[in-house]
This record gives sequence, structure tokens and C-alpha cells, in this order.
Amino acid sequence: DTGVSQDPRHKITKRGQNVTFRCDPISEHNRLYWYRQTLGQGPEFLTYFQNEAQLEKSRLLSDRFSAERPKGSFSTLEIQRTEQGDSAMYLCASSTGQSTNEKLFFGSGTQLSVL
Amino acid sequence: AQSVSQHNHHVILSEAASLELGCNYSYGGTVNLFWYVQYPGQHLQLLLKYFSGDPLVKGIKGFEAEFIKSKFSFNLRKPSVQWSDTAEYFCAVKVDTNAGKSTFGDGTTLTVKP
Repeated sequence: DTGVSQDPRHKITKRGQNVTFRCDPISEHNRLYWYRQTLGQGPEFLTYFQNEAQLEKSRLLSDRFSAERPKGSFSTLEIQRTEQGDSAMYLCASSTGQSTNEKLFFGSGTQLSVL
Repeated sequence: AQSVSQHNHHVILSEAASLELGCNYSYGGTVNLFWYVQYPGQHLQLLLKYFSGDPLVKGIKGFEAEFIKSKFSFNLRKPSVQWSDTAEYFCAVKVDTNAGKSTFGDGTTLTVKP
């Protein structure tokens, strides 16, 4: 168990630029989740994948956000035309998807700052 | 949509004091409930979970939580806290066993004074 890894750890960008984050889940985990967290709040669900299929996407996620998991392993989250309100910690988590014993394993997150 | 409410934003205790952190959720059906913890400088990790059966669940490091269905609550307890319990604690609920989405509360920051 090497854990969930996210890259980069920090990203500073200017408003209007595009950014992409990567998440590598635990290898045998078939579910992968993206959450967003701002200061003083809990993680907010963005989207999740079962293998390569994106099964749910938050209504809060604007069209500027897109996520992929092309081979059912790593995933990318892209934000186009970033806005200052996108500044947050972006968390990735993975799980086995076993309904009776599922727990989320989180990565350390990517801290995005939009100037 | 389901929501989770954590009553205390910041709790400060002395070592050996007893701890209870409140968590209430809004959903009338079957739920799975979780407490996650984030120690300073570390990532979120699972503390304990309730899926079914005994409503009193025990987790790591002496923590326990009790699911009271009639009160829609899942409060976290520890009889005697240690300085190393200083962390942020998040309650989470999943309303469909087969669904992926977990909804988190806004967290409680616990500071334990040595």
C-alpha cells in the first residue's frame, strides 16, 4: 500500500489560465474520487469514477471542470479559465468499492491558488 | 440532499479530559456513517465507521461513536484525550451503500493542551 499520491502539491496560477492535477490511487482500488476543500469547510464532493467510468458529477461542478480516468488507473482533473473562487485544496481519494467495507483513502491534496 | 452538521467548530481540552464531538445528519433512510481525522500536516484518514449492526462502534486510538437513529446522530467520544489527539475531525455520511458520494461536515478542530 503505497497510498494515494497527488501531483503537484501546490499550484499557483493566474486567473484565466488552465490547470491540470493528477491523482494516482492505490493500485487495486477501482473507485476514485475528487473532492474540493476550502478553509473552514469539509471536503465537498466533485466527481467519482468506477474504473474508467465517471458515475457521478456534482451539480456544483461548472463546465470549466473536467475529469478523466482513461485506463481506470490514474486520473486527471482539469480546470479551464481559472477564477479566484477556484482557489482551494483539491483532494483525491480511492477505495475498493466494496459496499460493506468501503473506506476512503485520501491523498495529501493539491493546493491551488488563483491570483 | 443529505447534509451533515457538526456543532462545534473548535474544542479545546486539557489532557485526560473526556471528549464528545457532535454530528447530526439529515436523511431519513439507511445511512453509512464515518468519522475521519486529519492530524497536523497529514492527510485525512478513517477513524471509524458504521454500516450496520451494533450502533456503538469502536475505532482506532480509543475512539468510539454511537449511532442513534432516532436522533439522526453519530457522536464521537473518547474517555481521556491525549495531546496527540490534536487534529481536525470530520463526520461524513453516505446514503446509498452502492453510491460513491460521501457528504462531509465542516469539521471540528480539537486542541488538546498538555
